[in-house]
Amino acid sequence: DIQMTQSPSTLSASVGDRVTITCRASQSISAYLAWYQQKPGEAPKLLITKASNLESGVPSRFSGSGSGTEFTLTISSLQPDDCASYYCQQYNSYSPFTFGPGTKVDLK
Amino acid sequence: EVQLLESGGGLVPPGGSLRLSCAASGFTFRTYAMNWVRQGTGKGLEWVSVISGSGGTIEYADSVKGRFTISRDNSKNTVYLEMISLRAEETAVYYCAKGRAGGARDVFDVWGQGTTVTVSS
Repeated sequence: DIQMTQSPSTLSASVGDRVTITCRASQSISAYLAWYQQKPGEAPKLLITKASNLESGVPSRFSGSGSGTEFTLTISSLQPDDCASYYCQQYNSYSPFTFGPGTKVDLK
Repeated sequence: EVQLLESGGGLVPPGGSLRLSCAASGFTFRTYAMNWVRQGTGKGLEWVSVISGSGGTIEYADSVKGRFTISRDNSKNTVYLEMISLRAEETAVYYCAKGRAGGARDVFDVWGQGTTVTVSS
């Protein structure tokens, strides 16, 4: 099975900071990578598909990039509403779905 | 509005059984794959199982194979997760999540609010 890792596990930043989260796959998943945001007590919310496709309604300060085994989620200017946990997920055809362990983002 | 509403969670002793349901509304249910995802308290997301829109494709995480059974009733717009031989470490919030496509392999674009399963004596 494909294993997913994320770094950092926690991140503290100030409002307006540029924030980058890295997700790595144990083998190539092409661009079959999604990002989800989860706030405390809520269900996850889909942010990005196919590594870089922003979901409708998601603020443009969010962006994704990467292919193969290394991917990034970037928040160009952190806002208080962005404090949440972020999970990457691979959905490659040849392996069961797997999520990364998550990155918790909070305000410094 | 697209909605998913889970039910059936509760307290069950180790080795016990439970059946979760997820009622869907606001979309053509039979067209889309449905998934179950769980999350232990303070832990990350773990995919559990998927069933395609037709029910013809079913997959499970290795951790639940042979003990959990996913099914769907397209006439009732409902997906189920039958769980047997439950373990304490399977205590979690169980989410129902809609796949973006009808086949089994796509992102999860709508999630329910979750139902809590507690495995404890």
